[in-house]
Amino acid sequence: GAGVSQSPSNKVTEKGKDVELRCDPISGHTALYWYRQSLGQGLEFLIYFQGNSAPDKSGLPSDRFSAERTGGSVSTLTIQRTQQEDSAVYLCASSSLRQGVNGYTFGSGTRLTVV
Amino acid sequence: SQQGEEDPQALSIQEGENATMNCSYKTSINNLQWYRQNSGRGLVHLILIRSNEREKHSGRLRVTLDTSKKSSSLLITASRAADTASYFCALYGGATNKLIFGTGTLLAVQP
Repeated sequence: GAGVSQSPSNKVTEKGKDVELRCDPISGHTALYWYRQSLGQGLEFLIYFQGNSAPDKSGLPSDRFSAERTGGSVSTLTIQRTQQEDSAVYLCASSSLRQGVNGYTFGSGTRLTVV
Repeated sequence: SQQGEEDPQALSIQEGENATMNCSYKTSINNLQWYRQNSGRGLVHLILIRSNEREKHSGRLRVTLDTSKKSSSLLITASRAADTASYFCALYGGATNKLIFGTGTLLAVQP
């Protein structure tokens, strides 16, 4: 597609429920990243995919967080048993080269609110 | 920490003035990137400067990099109200081998 697409744009969920966030990167971009941004804060790295594999998942905050990527394209970030501290904007980005070598294209993010 | 520290945290200027934001860091880098974020949503890549470069220009943007001082600056000339946004530096390289974002500068351009 023309840009990185994320869905849903907003998600309100009850504490303890599971949520799935979706990212559709730019066609042909082999590298995909998830970041999290809490209110008024900088971006926190979560995970990096190169193709379908995740060479760096060091930023996932707990085992409640998981992510997968299929077909070298769409990625889903799953948060199980959501907690209030999971509330944040989850941003996905993709790039044509490996991590950090060139600029990233970001999606508009999913604003997750856990009530 | 590899995270860049940005200065100032907030900046308010009048339209037509220049805006300068600074980013300092502590580890070695391969490149440094600047991004803009409007309304707390997606970031837009502005410019990338490699560790062996000292200055780059893109339109009204001028970025400098001083690896000896471990600092970079972003200059926006002849600012416009539409430049109002948060600006982040991001560092690539060093031990962590991932793109790490700074804390951001909130720029407000008054019409």
